[in-house]
Amino acid sequence: AQSVTQPDIHITVSEGASLELRCNYSYGATPYLFWYVQSPGQGLQLLLKYFSGDTLVQGIKGFEAEFKRSQSSFNLRKPSVHWSDAAEYFCAVRMDSNYQLIWGAGTKLIIKP
Amino acid sequence: ETGVTQSPTHLIKTRGQQVTLRCSSQSGHNTVSWYQQALGQGPQFIFQYYREEENGRGNFPPRFSGLQFPNYSSELNVNALELDDSALYLCASSLQGLQETQYFGPGTRLLVL
Repeated sequence: AQSVTQPDIHITVSEGASLELRCNYSYGATPYLFWYVQSPGQGLQLLLKYFSGDTLVQGIKGFEAEFKRSQSSFNLRKPSVHWSDAAEYFCAVRMDSNYQLIWGAGTKLIIKP
Repeated sequence: ETGVTQSPTHLIKTRGQQVTLRCSSQSGHNTVSWYQQALGQGPQFIFQYYREEENGRGNFPPRFSGLQFPNYSSELNVNALELDDSALYLCASSLQGLQETQYFGPGTRLLVL
């Protein structure tokens, strides 16, 4: 069965430090890949998505993600985090056979001042 | 352009009752998807509606049902509520298509006692 794994439940980084959130998926072909952010009391907001082409994609709020087919990974990065980035981050995939999104369990990002 | 809205924001029900949650899609969107997000987990796909017809369903029992109206607003109905139905219910609207982005509402927090 298709699945998405986000191995880190929590990550703590200092403000201004770099960030990498990991995402691995299990699927035979290349899925459509998404990163969303969820802040308390707010809906899920799309950060970026990958369908095909350049494997390094740029998103909003200074985030980027790199698709690595050989590792079945789609890791999210940011060179310098801000306190406002504290939130929960979800990786999601969609197979080409249907429309549903399959989600990871999320990674909670904590920012140290 | 108005975003996706959901009502109510919070709801408390008792086991065995029925509940209806409502979603108003983003203007111009013809597809709505519903997700259940239990505490500490990623969203789980319940079903999707396109042009008032169910267009895909996740692993949820028939007591979870939905409707999509001609104005693309939507309802999620849950009968015979169980304690495990306590969760955040998210609605997402989009255009139809595998590459289309889903835009999420803030969710309805349901507590079943």
